[in-house]
Amino acid sequence: DVKVTQSSRYLVKRTGEKVFLECVQDMDHENMFWYRQDPGLGLRLIYFSYDVKMKEKGDIPEGYSVSREKKERFSLILESASTNQTSMYLCASRLTKGQYSVNEQFFGPGTRLTVL
Amino acid sequence: AQSVTQLGSHVSVSEGALVLLRCNYSSSVPPYLFWYVQYPNQGLQLLLKYTSAATLVKGINGFEAEFKKSETSFHLTKPSAHMSDAAEYFCAVSPRTSGSRLTFGEGTQLTVNP
Repeated sequence: DVKVTQSSRYLVKRTGEKVFLECVQDMDHENMFWYRQDPGLGLRLIYFSYDVKMKEKGDIPEGYSVSREKKERFSLILESASTNQTSMYLCASRLTKGQYSVNEQFFGPGTRLTVL
Repeated sequence: AQSVTQLGSHVSVSEGALVLLRCNYSSSVPPYLFWYVQYPNQGLQLLLKYTSAATLVKGINGFEAEFKKSETSFHLTKPSAHMSDAAEYFCAVSPRTSGSRLTFGEGTQLTVNP
């Protein structure tokens, strides 16, 4: 089974802190994704990565950055955390078989981040 | 741009009753469509996906969904609800030209009453 793990289930940080959220997948998937989940808004894509050292902005990248130095690991960085970044953060990975693949995304358990 | 709308943020059914969760998409061409389920304190799990092979798609846990192009819909159904079906359900759409990005609906919280 594909396993996507996230470094923390719950995290509490203070405004202005630099925050790192880590995601690791164990199935050699090329694509990795970071979403935030808020009540009534569903999941919104922050950033995604097609492959190592490749990244692309999603729908809400402001205030976030990402890093993908190794294929299995995709990090989300909050450069200076703010209270409006309090949310559930979900990581996902996906195997790519050609440009038009419809392979589904596999999700981690999520990190609930609270910024005080 | 593609979008998906889930009608009803909360749906409540009795155990044993029919489950119907509604999803409508907006796209100029039929996209790929997905239903995911999220149990409390867990990530999302794929229930089923539509990729154009068949309009009626069967998924896990007894769920199925029917793609109706004329109605731009992809509603999720289950004939008989079980207590363990209580969860949040997300419909998602992906364009056929680039399979990587998913656009999610707002989610529907399903409550199953004994």
